[in-house]
Amino acid sequence: SYELTQPPSVSVSPGQTARITCSGDALPKKYAYWYQQKSGQAPVLVIYEDSKRPSGIPERFSGSSSGTMATLTISGAQVEDEADYYCYSTDSSGNLWVFGGGTKLTVL
Amino acid sequence: EVQLVESGGGLVKPGGSLRLSCAASGFTFSNAWMSWVRQAPGKGLEWVGRIKSKTDGGTTDYAAPVKGRFTISRDDSKNTLYLQMNSLKTEDTAVYYCTVGATSPFDYWGQGTLVTVSS
Repeated sequence: SYELTQPPSVSVSPGQTARITCSGDALPKKYAYWYQQKSGQAPVLVIYEDSKRPSGIPERFSGSSSGTMATLTISGAQVEDEADYYCYSTDSSGNLWVFGGGTKLTVL
Repeated sequence: EVQLVESGGGLVKPGGSLRLSCAASGFTFSNAWMSWVRQAPGKGLEWVGRIKSKTDGGTTDYAAPVKGRFTISRDDSKNTLYLQMNSLKTEDTAVYYCTVGATSPFDYWGQGTLVTVSS
């Protein structure tokens, strides 16, 4: 099987930069995607193909990937960014799809 | 507008079976790769499995915890996705979501259907 590893929690004050990491052996060859899930809601895509931002997602959300680690950065985090964040990618074959364990972002 | 509506969840005893359905609309279902994702109470997202479009082979892949017990199928004439779950275990208790992608594999999600496996 294949795993993506995220920190369980990240905490920042409003206006600070939050960084959430995701590590996986296949990330040098496979894209990472990031989803935001607020309580009681379906997940929403915030970053795709490592660093691209869908329309409607604030510019403060950015992504990067280097080696076996992908990073979601929220520059100037807002209280409304409090949510669970999940990275997603695939194994090297592309056939097994995997979510990371999720990171709870607290902004207070 | 893309709509995904799951149904078929409920309470089932360990070892039992259940079939979930997902009615899709608002996109060309026959061209879409469809996935099931689940979320146990208070836990994270877990990809369950995926079925490709028939033009891409119609093949399926599954996560290790469900492989050999769950089967994904599709009926393109009815725009419906299925998840047949056999030999259910208590750890299969979760909300099951039907998903489809555009920009990413999971751009659109249904409202989910709760499966509870308990004696």
